Amino acid sequence: GAVVSQHPSRVICKSGTSVKIECRSLDFQATTMFWYRQFPKQSLMLMATSNEGSKATYEQGVEKDKFLINHASLTLSTLTVTSAHPEDSSFYICSASLGRPTYNEQFFGPGTRLTVL
Amino acid sequence: QKEVEQNSGPLSVPEGAIASLNCTYSDRGSQSFFWYRQYSGKSPELIMFIYSNGDKEDGRFTAQLNKASQYVSLLIRDSQPSDSATYLCAVGGGADGLTFGKGTHLIIQP
Repeated sequence: GAVVSQHPSRVICKSGTSVKIECRSLDFQATTMFWYRQFPKQSLMLMATSNEGSKATYEQGVEKDKFLINHASLTLSTLTVTSAHPEDSSFYICSASLGRPTYNEQFFGPGTRLTVL
Repeated sequence: QKEVEQNSGPLSVPEGAIASLNCTYSDRGSQSFFWYRQYSGKSPELIMFIYSNGDKEDGRFTAQLNKASQYVSLLIRDSQPSDSATYLCAVGGGADGLTFGKGTHLIIQP
């Protein structure tokens, strides 16, 4: 149980284009999903928290107009990187929480490697 | 700002020995503590979580938590070459996202 999928697994795009990444919880309903970013040899950094039916909460320093998050259902959250630039190239990973109020194990998707040329 | 500190390593351990990984955290209000394993190019895989002071064992893995010292550790018994990976300590609570350490690169020598 607790399987999270992401699509696409890898994307290469030209500078200035927008890229949408999907995150799905396959066997459970995820009230909350999280988006992380990981640069080479760095740890995961939380970008935003996505709650179903409400606006995402962004971490300090993350541009909400550049990284658009939509959590339209209890099993799907999307991250759109708008007007991508080479510095946005990174490993984007989503996770979904089981939603318990105190103990929030998070299960991670396989990640999406974005390369912006 | 919440911080999680780990020794980046590499930590080299002979096969069959015990690997000991350590982590400290800054936020005393943290409630949940997690150990993830990450292979190169892959996303993190949850190994264990711990919420209460003391030890928690799961197979070859034992997590230890000391909230007074703000210290979490992970012991891996009978280390195998397949345990070679980066181990991430993460701290969080409630509906918050996780704060990760930079990870410890563990190498199990055959």
